[in-house]
Amino acid sequence: DTEVTQTPKHLVMGMTNKKSLKCEQHMGHRAMYWYKQKAKKPPELMFVYSYEKLSINESVPSRFSPECPNSSLLNLHLHALQPEDSALYLCASSHQQGTNYGYTFGSGTRLTVV
Amino acid sequence: GQSLEQPSEVTAVEGAIVQINCTYQTSGFYGLSWYQQHDGGAPTFLSYNALDGLEETGRFSSFLSRSDSYGYLLLQELQMKDSASYFCAPSHGQNFVFGPGTRLSVLP
Repeated sequence: DTEVTQTPKHLVMGMTNKKSLKCEQHMGHRAMYWYKQKAKKPPELMFVYSYEKLSINESVPSRFSPECPNSSLLNLHLHALQPEDSALYLCASSHQQGTNYGYTFGSGTRLTVV
Repeated sequence: GQSLEQPSEVTAVEGAIVQINCTYQTSGFYGLSWYQQHDGGAPTFLSYNALDGLEETGRFSSFLSRSDSYGYLLLQELQMKDSASYFCAPSHGQNFVFGPGTRLSVLP
């Protein structure tokens, strides 16, 4: 299995809702990432988990809350989002943080906040 | 701090060769990656250079000059399916930061 699976593919949520994005990989990768991508912009790093521990939080607002229940799963909990948070949220994994083998990305969750 | 530069757009015809340049300035540099992203799709890893010189993978090659903080992606025998955005991603600390991206349009 050489894929990163993200669910759901599309999500529309109100500003008072709570939702979660899920990411799963079975490649034995020990680093997992959340990226945010706006249209016609590069992916921006949000969080990094290394060996199931939060390694990097790129000053992301607390309305985004990551969770890594085990080495194969990564969640992103969303609460009280703003319309400007609408974007493509990408999960990625790699052998380990700082690898030179590249990241494997999931196909993303397209989030719309209304 | 960090800075990254790529041309915003490049246009070429099928069968041609195109070079996408990347200049970077990041802390803790140890390598340069390249990614391809089709509209509506996920970024896909293309190549990685840790040492100076050219790395070839099929129709795609990637070059790095550490002393010049410069790299490029060379695409040969262009095909319509190569129309996509291409991101250079130099390392920054323990992670990689994505450049602004170059949108490549391949014309028939």
